[in-house]
Amino acid sequence: QVQLVESGGGVVQPGTSLRLSCTPSGFNFRAYAMHWVRQAPGKGLEWVAVISYDGHNKYYADSVKGRYAISRDNSNNTLWLQVNSLGAEDTAMYYCARDVARLTGSYFYGMDVWGQGTTVTVSS
Amino acid sequence: QSALTQPASVSGSPGQSITISCTGTSSDVGSYNLVSWYQQHPGKSPKLMIYEVTKRPSGVSNRFSGSKSGHTASLTISGLQAEDEADYYCCSYADGTSVFGGGTKVTVL
Repeated sequence: QVQLVESGGGVVQPGTSLRLSCTPSGFNFRAYAMHWVRQAPGKGLEWVAVISYDGHNKYYADSVKGRYAISRDNSNNTLWLQVNSLGAEDTAMYYCARDVARLTGSYFYGMDVWGQGTTVTVSS
Repeated sequence: QSALTQPASVSGSPGQSITISCTGTSSDVGSYNLVSWYQQHPGKSPKLMIYEVTKRPSGVSNRFSGSKSGHTASLTISGLQAEDEADYYCCSYADGTSVFGGGTKVTVL
């Protein structure tokens, strides 16, 4: 079935880095734009980043621009989020999600498939 | 990138209809028909309920409908059921990024 599985989260110290992974299955990964969305404990959803289906275009929320990097490998069916200079404000559940739009230069239509999330906790 | 404005809570009795508003600006909701709505039950991942303002994904009940007027988008749930009790988030494209609303807790009385 169509599925996304995140991994790579953990408990890390402030100032360190992590690379989160998202592994898709059950659909043609290379045809879809992909997003990362995070949710701090007890808080609402926050959009983080999107990457086009071909990896050529990337956009970020102002809150993470310059510290986070989204990337993908369509040959190996993997999406990543590199998170650097972590602070307490980055503590959250991180979800990867598939955009509704397929093989189009536009994204942000909606996110129709979500993973179960991976938790990042920044603590000294 | 200011968050879209949603009411913190909305409640209704079984069988009733409720509407959740989502107010943005001319930089997001007011300029693009790229508003989506998500349902999230406690401890679960979000689920897409509406996209492109009015479109409903396959498998989503037709009791859920979306609309937009000016800078405000709305999600209406008709024939409210116990299983609809959850948090609901709107989301809009916003000049090269995306922004969520703060979320609305729907309570079925």
